[in-house]
Amino acid sequence: DIQMTQSPSSLSASVGDTVTITCRANQSISSYLNWYQQKPGKAPNLLIYSASTLHSGVPSRFSGSESGTDFTLTISSLQPEDFATYHCQQGFSTPHTFGGGTKVEIK
Amino acid sequence: EVQLVQSGAEVKKPGESLKISCQGSGYRFTSYWIGWVRQMPGKGLEWMGIIYPGDSDTRYSPSFQGQITISADKSINTAYLQWSSLKASDTAMYFCVRHSGLYGDYCDYWGQGTLVTVSS
Repeated sequence: DIQMTQSPSSLSASVGDTVTITCRANQSISSYLNWYQQKPGKAPNLLIYSASTLHSGVPSRFSGSESGTDFTLTISSLQPEDFATYHCQQGFSTPHTFGGGTKVEIK
Repeated sequence: EVQLVQSGAEVKKPGESLKISCQGSGYRFTSYWIGWVRQMPGKGLEWMGIIYPGDSDTRYSPSFQGQITISADKSINTAYLQWSSLKASDTAMYFCVRHSGLYGDYCDYWGQGTLVTVSS
């Protein structure tokens, strides 16, 4: 199985801040890295697929990038509705493993 | 509108069997892989396996192989996740997901989740 290591596991930020979350694969996954947002008690929602492609309806303050096996989710100008848990997932091969999640909390 | 609607919450005893469901609508059900994702209380997401309803091709995560059965009935656009003998450690929220992507896979639609509680 491909292992996905996500960091940090949690962070505190203020409205308007820029936040960066990282996900590292333990082997090449090409660009097949997905990001999801999950709010308490709800199902996750797809934000970004193929490392940097925004899913339909996702605000442009969300962006994704890659460098080798390192992937980054950036949220620019954090909004109140962005406080949630973020999960990465590799879509390269089955099992499509997830990272451990990053909880973004209000400072 | 694409929708995945899951069956309701279940409370079971250890050793009992269970089958939960996920009905898709708003798209061609037989043309997309449907998967299941587990989330234990307060924990992250775990990919369990997928099925292609068009031909019932099924792939399991090694972590769940032998512990669960994934199936589908394309006549009623419904996928299933089944246990033959539940354990307390199966207590979790289970999400069904639609997989998309020409090359890499991603989960573009999620069911609302089915909470399974296993307790004596």
